Amino acid sequence: SYELIQPPSVSVSPGQAARITCSGDKLGDKYACWYQQKPGQSPVLVMFQDTKRPSGIPERFSGSNSGNTATLTIIGTQPLDEADYYCQAWDSNTAVFGGGTKLTVL
Amino acid sequence: EVQVVESGGGLVQPGGSLRLSCAASGFTFSGYWMTWVRQVPGKGLEWVATINQDGSEKYFVSSLKGRFTIFRDNAKNSLFLQMNSLGAEDTAIYYCARTLYLLDFYFDYWGQGTLVTVSS
Repeated sequence: SYELIQPPSVSVSPGQAARITCSGDKLGDKYACWYQQKPGQSPVLVMFQDTKRPSGIPERFSGSNSGNTATLTIIGTQPLDEADYYCQAWDSNTAVFGGGTKLTVL
Repeated sequence: EVQVVESGGGLVQPGGSLRLSCAASGFTFSGYWMTWVRQVPGKGLEWVATINQDGSEKYFVSSLKGRFTIFRDNAKNSLFLQMNSLGAEDTAIYYCARTLYLLDFYFDYWGQGTLVTVSS
């Protein structure tokens, strides 16, 4: 079955850029999306079709997807961006989530 | 305002059954695919099942096929998940999510989730 691999944790200082990766076999041939989940809350879609931001998601969020890796980048990371981030893609009529990355802003 | 509200969770004994409901409002429910995703508290997200607008297409995670069924009632703007032969491994928060299809599927609105606990 298809797998998406994320680093368990990423740390960044406020104002710096955070990059969260998601790796999967030929992931660049699929569309990746990303969800943000803060403690005690439901997930929120922050990126879809690799690079598109839903309405209401700040411009500091951007995405890319090529080869075997999709990346969610947050420019000028703010303390409120601290959350778990999950990548997701579809393979053979199956939705697959990555294991999640805890972003710490400190 | 788009809203999806899950209900029906609770404590169930191993081997038991439970039906979860998701009430949708603020959008034309019959025009959207819908999805169930679950999450063991403190762990990651796991996709469960997705259904198309009229219920004629359904996709399931392979490990749950045969035990779980997804269906919908467009007249009542409701999505359901019928869960049978429940085990401790099914203990999780179950989320309902509106699903967009734009070249691929995306879950753009999520409910607050309903907790299912399987325990004796």
